[in-house]
Amino acid sequence: GNSVTQMEGPVTLSEEAFLTINCTYTATGYPSLFWYVQYPGEGLQLLLKATKADDKGSNKGFEATYRKETTSFHLEKGSVQVSDSAVYFCALTVTQGGSEKLVFGKGTKLTVNP
Amino acid sequence: NAGVTQTPKFRVLKTGQSMTLLCAQDMNHEYMYWYRQDPGMGLRLIHYSVGEGTTAKGEVPDGYNVSRLKKQNFLLGLESAAPSQTSVYFCASSYIGVGTGELFFGEGSRLTVL
Repeated sequence: GNSVTQMEGPVTLSEEAFLTINCTYTATGYPSLFWYVQYPGEGLQLLLKATKADDKGSNKGFEATYRKETTSFHLEKGSVQVSDSAVYFCALTVTQGGSEKLVFGKGTKLTVNP
Repeated sequence: NAGVTQTPKFRVLKTGQSMTLLCAQDMNHEYMYWYRQDPGMGLRLIHYSVGEGTTAKGEVPDGYNVSRLKKQNFLLGLESAAPSQTSVYFCASSYIGVGTGELFFGEGSRLTVL
C-alpha cells in the first residue's frame, strides 16, 4: 500500500544553517505529496504540496520537488530560523473505498538554536 | 475566524469510562476526519466523513464510534476507554478531497486513560 518514510529525528541546527528533511514514498498510481508542519502546542498546518511529477511546492522559504524517478519529496530550506522549530510531516494521498485520504509519515522534529 | 474547534482540550478518564470529543468547523467543509497522534507513530486516521450523515472507518477504528448528524460537527466517542487510547486526538476538515485540497486541523485534545 501507499506509505511514506521520513528521516528519523530529532534534527538540531544552528540559525541560518541549511535544512534537508528526507521523505521517500511507496505508491501505486500518482499520489499527491504534502509537507505539513506542527508548531508546539498547535495542530498541523499545510506547508506546501505537489500534485504531479516534477512539480515544486514552495512556501515560507521551504521547497520540495516531486521526484517520481527516486520516489522522493525532500524538504529543503536554505537558511533556517529559530521560528522554524517544529515537527514536520510528509504525507501522500491514498484512494480507498472511493475516497481520498492522507497517509502521514512519523514526523521529524526540528530544533533551531540561535 | 474560529476554523476547527475541539472540545475538551484535556481529559483524564478511568478505564471503562465513556466520553465524547466534539469537533466543530465553521468553514462549511464537506469532509471531516479524526486522527490520533502517538509518539513515534505519526498521525493515524480513526474515522472520517465525506458529508453530513456519512461516516467511514479509517486505519485504526476499533474502540471508537463517530457521528456526523450536522455538517459542521463530527463527534468521536469512546464507549469503554482503555489505557491504549491515551493519545492526542486531532480533528481536521477539508472542503474537497485531500488530493487537491488542504486539511485544516484543530489544536488537539489530549486524553489520558488511567
